[in-house]
Amino acid sequence: GAGVSQSPRYKVAKRGQDVALRCDPISGHVSLFWYQQALGQGPEFLTYFQNEAQLDKSGLPSDRFFAERPEGSVSTLKIQRTQQEDSAVYLCASSLGTANGYTFGSGTRLTVV
Amino acid sequence: GDSVTQMEGPVTLSEEAFLTINCTYTATGYPSLFWYVQYPGEGLQLLLKATKADDKGSNKGFEATYRKETTSFHLEKGSVQVSDSAVYFCALGGPNDYKLSFGAGTTVTVRA
Repeated sequence: GAGVSQSPRYKVAKRGQDVALRCDPISGHVSLFWYQQALGQGPEFLTYFQNEAQLDKSGLPSDRFFAERPEGSVSTLKIQRTQQEDSAVYLCASSLGTANGYTFGSGTRLTVV
Repeated sequence: GDSVTQMEGPVTLSEEAFLTINCTYTATGYPSLFWYVQYPGEGLQLLLKATKADDKGSNKGFEATYRKETTSFHLEKGSVQVSDSAVYFCALGGPNDYKLSFGAGTTVTVRA
């Protein structure tokens, strides 16, 4: 597609629910990234994929967070047993290679109530 | 670890005023430096970048020069427009460039 597409745009979850956030990167982009942006803050790195391989997951805040990209294209970020502190905008970005700038999606705003 | 510190906002300016947003960084090695912009209701967009010392990135009238001696990458624009109202993020690319460290963002509002 022309850009990075994320869905849903907004998600409200009750505390304890599981959520799944989807990212469709630009076609042909090898690298895919997830970031978390809390209100009033800059994005924080969560995880990085090169094709289907998750090469870095050092930014995932806890074992409740899980990301996958099984076919090297679409990626899903799953959060289990959501907590209020998980409320944030989750940004996905893709790139042709790590030396290029990223293209970011518009993000999914998650609100845990 | 690598980090970026940028000027706190909000910043409010009149049209045609000069804009500077300060950004300093701490890093090992020789990182790449970026400015991203987030317009209201939109995603982050790359505004400009510089990959080595003394490089100047420029786009849409904005400029920033990678200063290794002062570890800075200040963003400047000589004459702002209302359409420049946005949140601006300074970012640093780590050794392999795939992990970006962002500043907290500076909200800029330009009034007609």
